[in-house]
Amino acid sequence: EAGVAQSPRYKIIEKRQSVAFWCNPISGHATLYWYQQILGQGPKLLIQFQNNGVVDDSQLPKDRFSAERLKGVDSTLKIQPAKLEDSAVYLCASSLDTGIPYGYTFGSGTRLTVV
Amino acid sequence: GQQVMQIPQYQHVQEGEDFTTYCNSSTTLSNIQWYKQRPGGHPVFLIQLVKSGEVKKQKRLTFQFGEAKKNSSLHITATQTTDVGTYFCAGSRLGTGFQKLVFGTGTRLLVSP
Repeated sequence: EAGVAQSPRYKIIEKRQSVAFWCNPISGHATLYWYQQILGQGPKLLIQFQNNGVVDDSQLPKDRFSAERLKGVDSTLKIQPAKLEDSAVYLCASSLDTGIPYGYTFGSGTRLTVV
Repeated sequence: GQQVMQIPQYQHVQEGEDFTTYCNSSTTLSNIQWYKQRPGGHPVFLIQLVKSGEVKKQKRLTFQFGEAKKNSSLHITATQTTDVGTYFCAGSRLGTGFQKLVFGTGTRLLVSP
C-alpha cells in the first residue's frame, strides 16, 4: 500500500513570508492529522480532520495557521506570516478511523526553516 | 491539558545491553501507542496497548500498560545497533467520540557496537 505523501521535503523562507504544505493520505483513511515537531521534542498535534470536517484544532495558532481538506482526501497546511519559532518538521499522518484506536501512518514530513 | 512524560530523555548503551523507557500520563488513558523515529526519519508505529495490565512482545521488545492505565514501558532485550532512534509513547483519551493522541517527550537511544 502506498504511504502518506508529503511535499515539499524541505522549505526555507524568510520571516513574514507565507508557505504551504501538501499531504495525500493513505487511500481509505478517513482521519488526517497535521503535527508540528520541533527539534528534540515529540510531535504536537495542530489539527485533526475526519473526512473533510475538523474535529480538533484547539492547538492550531489560528491567527497565522490554516488548514483545509478538500473532498476528504488531500490536505494543505498554510502559515502566513511565518515566524522564526515556526521552524520545525511538519508531519502529516492518517489513520482508518478516529472512534476506534488505530496506529497512525506518518509521512516523511516537511522540514521548514524560517530565517 | 493532558501531559505525557518519558524517562530517561537519553540513554547510551553498549550493544547487547538491555534498555527500558518509561512513560507516564497525567490522565487515565484509553489506549497507548508506541512509535520509533530513526534519526532524520518520521515516527513509525510499533504497537498499541488497550487493556489494563496488558503485556505484548515483538521479538526483543516488550511493551507493558500499567494497571491504572496511566503509565507504560518499553523494554528492549539485548540491544542492537539497529535499535538506535527515539522512542515515543502516545496516549489517547477518548473525548467527544474521537481519539486524540498526545505524544510523549521521547527517549533517545544510542547503541554503540
